Amino acid sequence: QKEVEQDPGPLSVPEGAIVSLNCTYSNSAFQYFMWYRQYSRKGPELLMYTYSSGNKEDGRFTAQVDKSSKYISLFIRDSQPSDSATYLCAMSRSGGYNKLIFGAGTRLAVHP
Amino acid sequence: DAGITQSPRHKVTETGTPVTLRCHQTENHRYMYWYRQDPGHGLRLIHYSYGVKDTDKGEVSDGYSVSRSKTEDFLLTLESATSSQTSVYFCAISQDADGYTFGSGTRLTVV
Repeated sequence: QKEVEQDPGPLSVPEGAIVSLNCTYSNSAFQYFMWYRQYSRKGPELLMYTYSSGNKEDGRFTAQVDKSSKYISLFIRDSQPSDSATYLCAMSRSGGYNKLIFGAGTRLAVHP
Repeated sequence: DAGITQSPRHKVTETGTPVTLRCHQTENHRYMYWYRQDPGHGLRLIHYSYGVKDTDKGEVSDGYSVSRSKTEDFLLTLESATSSQTSVYFCAISQDADGYTFGSGTRLTVV
């Protein structure tokens, strides 16, 4: 069983929809949680960064962490065609040396 | 991808030949990583470095070696390339508890 599970999709939504992306994990030692966005044939770029539990909001994006359920989510409000990409969750045990464990990524397509 | 450069961007090589991929950073970050990305597997760590000449294995290190003789350069070598090493290779850098910054990737095909 993988340490981090993520539904690969693809997920197709109309423009303006609210998108929910999720990951589950098995290791309770994870403390740092991140979401990366990867456009086709590009490297992943950091989108959201959260420490421990709680919510974090940045514009149209909200990241949630529920450590009791070992479940993290990324919500995208008012989705745009430019949001079409693969979204990868990632997490690590501690700061300092930061070896990230990645989910497989969810491919999202937002159509006009 | 400012501050981190991977070369080459694309490479086709024959089975059994050695291949070296280069990652160069201008951020003076301490940590550097090599990942491979394959459909259905996401990003898997090959090797990482926590300083000059300090490297360690990741989860898929068999068939790969690395070297870091300068802070800014991290080399990944496939000693004898196999078709199973056909993949997209990403270098990443980080400093302390920051998230990673990734390069643009190297698309390697072993024929």
